[in-house]
Amino acid sequence: DQQVKQNSPSLSVQEGRISILNCDYTNSMFDYFLWYKKYPAEGPTFLISISSIKDKNEDGRFTVFLNKSAKHLSLHIVPSQPGDSAVYFCAARRLNRDDKIIFGKGTRLHILP
Amino acid sequence: GAGVSQSPRYKVTKRGQDVTLRCDPISSHATLYWYQQALGQGPEFLTYFNYEAQPDKSGLPSDRFSAERPEGSISTLTIQRTEQRDSAMYRCASSLKLAGGEFQETQYFGPGTRLLVL
Repeated sequence: DQQVKQNSPSLSVQEGRISILNCDYTNSMFDYFLWYKKYPAEGPTFLISISSIKDKNEDGRFTVFLNKSAKHLSLHIVPSQPGDSAVYFCAARRLNRDDKIIFGKGTRLHILP
Repeated sequence: GAGVSQSPRYKVTKRGQDVTLRCDPISSHATLYWYQQALGQGPEFLTYFNYEAQPDKSGLPSDRFSAERPEGSISTLTIQRTEQRDSAMYRCASSLKLAGGEFQETQYFGPGTRLLVL
């Protein structure tokens, strides 16, 4: 049973436009959420995170929004750049409860020229 | 070291053989994770260590899988009597656990070991 779901396997966005990657979770005990970015032949790298006490966290071109009532979070990238083409993993954990992180299946983002 | 390293990068083995995968975490990192990632999937948690302690091994698929971190630094993941379904990318990640239990959320992943069981 997938506790973290990324229902879009892939997404194509024009360069310069906004990319929106979505993630849903089922476990209401999750209270910390992370996004990782992965290039081919490399391990995932941490991108941005958000605690459940917030509904928005921004870092440069990247913003993560959290809607706890809907158990939904999204990653916004604006403006999208060619180097943003990668696989993006959403992940969740129960902060201070255990150290296990549950990952989604990932969404492959293609930035079109 | 500068980052998390894993060896070997690729391993091809025959069904029934044992394999051991190695992870060298970032030297200051107390916490080390092992993940299994099938093609087209996200990393799936196997087990983790805080120094040499192994608080959670609930993700290990069977008793053929075991992991060690005897001195709290380098870790090995051993799969005994490998089966074709064990073929996957095995990823190691480490993170910093700050004094007082404060949590440092960033995990640093290694490049992974791709295992193919024939």
